[in-house]
Amino acid sequence: GQQLNQSPQSMFIQEGEDVSMNCTSSSIFNTWLWYKQDPGEGPVLLIALYKAGELTSNGRLTAQFGITRKDSFLNISASIPSDVGIYFCAGPSNDMRFGAGTRLTVKP
Amino acid sequence: GAVVSQHPSWVICKSGTSVKIECRSLDFQATTMFWYRQFPKQSLMLMATSNEGSKATYEQGVEKDKFLINHASLTLSTLTVTSAHPEDSSFYICSAMTGATYEQYFGPGTRLTVT
Repeated sequence: GQQLNQSPQSMFIQEGEDVSMNCTSSSIFNTWLWYKQDPGEGPVLLIALYKAGELTSNGRLTAQFGITRKDSFLNISASIPSDVGIYFCAGPSNDMRFGAGTRLTVKP
Repeated sequence: GAVVSQHPSWVICKSGTSVKIECRSLDFQATTMFWYRQFPKQSLMLMATSNEGSKATYEQGVEKDKFLINHASLTLSTLTVTSAHPEDSSFYICSAMTGATYEQYFGPGTRLTVT
């Protein structure tokens, strides 16, 4: 199946800092999804991207669908403690796969 | 909108018994539902994809006779872990897709502990 490489694996940042994480694929995707998972809960959809080059925001979150359709970026601005969690990228098709996740820790 | 529930949220069972987990889409019809397994500090591992009214498609390495999936209606899918063993202990999460987009909406997960 399609492989998704997500980086970084973990991040430790200070409250107020901006965060950037990315996801790359060996194959072309027509859709990119970004999820956040809090401990002991199911993932929650943050942003969905449908078009190459698309830049979409959801509050302090901004995600971009790479021009090559093989990558995507998620940025979080002015991080706050509740941003803590694991962020997953997903490239869905008939064969759904998730990246390994980026574990974010925000220090107050 | 797009709410998915799972029941139970946690369950403890004895080795050798079977456990059924329900996944329901509460406010939409789900043409496709997915079952995932997640070990601590790891990503989601897709176990199977189920479409309403048809047999589930299992991922390589997932025993279909052990993990029985039934998608009886457009709002309900069930996963039954048969003859559970301690190594089946994990966090099981379902998701549902409307079919209009590729967006998947996840349930809150079920923590299974087999003793």
